[in-house]
Amino acid sequence: GAVVSQHPSRVICKSGTSVKIECRSLDFQATTMFWYRQFPKQSLMLMATSNEGSKATYEQGVEKDKFLINHASLTLSTLTVTSAHPEDSSFYICSARGAGGIYEQFFGPGTRLTVL
Amino acid sequence: AQSVAQPEDQVNVAEGNPLTVKCTYSVSGNPYLFWYVQYPNRGLQFLLKYITGDNLVKGSYGFEAEFNKSQTSFHLKKPSALVSDSALYFCAVRDGYSSASKIIFGSGTRLSIRP
Repeated sequence: GAVVSQHPSRVICKSGTSVKIECRSLDFQATTMFWYRQFPKQSLMLMATSNEGSKATYEQGVEKDKFLINHASLTLSTLTVTSAHPEDSSFYICSARGAGGIYEQFFGPGTRLTVL
Repeated sequence: AQSVAQPEDQVNVAEGNPLTVKCTYSVSGNPYLFWYVQYPNRGLQFLLKYITGDNLVKGSYGFEAEFNKSQTSFHLKKPSALVSDSALYFCAVRDGYSSASKIIFGSGTRLSIRP
């Protein structure tokens, strides 16, 4: 299957700083990328969906000004957590899908964010 | 709205015994169902999917799942469990085939295989 990478795998930051997480599709063009958030021992919650070159669509309850998503190319999407606070500490997972509705969706390895 | 339910938070099985992880779904149209596995601090690994066709779907690592339309279930099964199967398992449904469709996850079931 196709490969999706995330960078960094782990990040620790101070409260009030911003953190950028990158998601790359390594061997296919991802027309759509998804960002999920997972709290300990809980399921994955979809935060937003982004299509290349368009603004992201955020799920209800997700602050778009806090979680900035950019999908500027067919192989790269970024999630920036702005002015991070301890409650933003979580496991963030991206997912990418190519063209065509039934095209498979592939998941990245996740990024563990810890805000002190 | 589409949804999936995993009624068991945890399933405990002895190594060598068969295992079943339950999943039921609710969709407005034809279901597009998945099973994923997650190991600690790792992303999701795809196990198998059902779109159409044979109700018994075979996937990775010896897992299989049975689609049952009348019971709206998609239970994950394996004939003989391994200790290495211990992980968190997610059932998921995709709400359609369009480019705008999204994957919605169940709450997850922690599978523990004892030696």
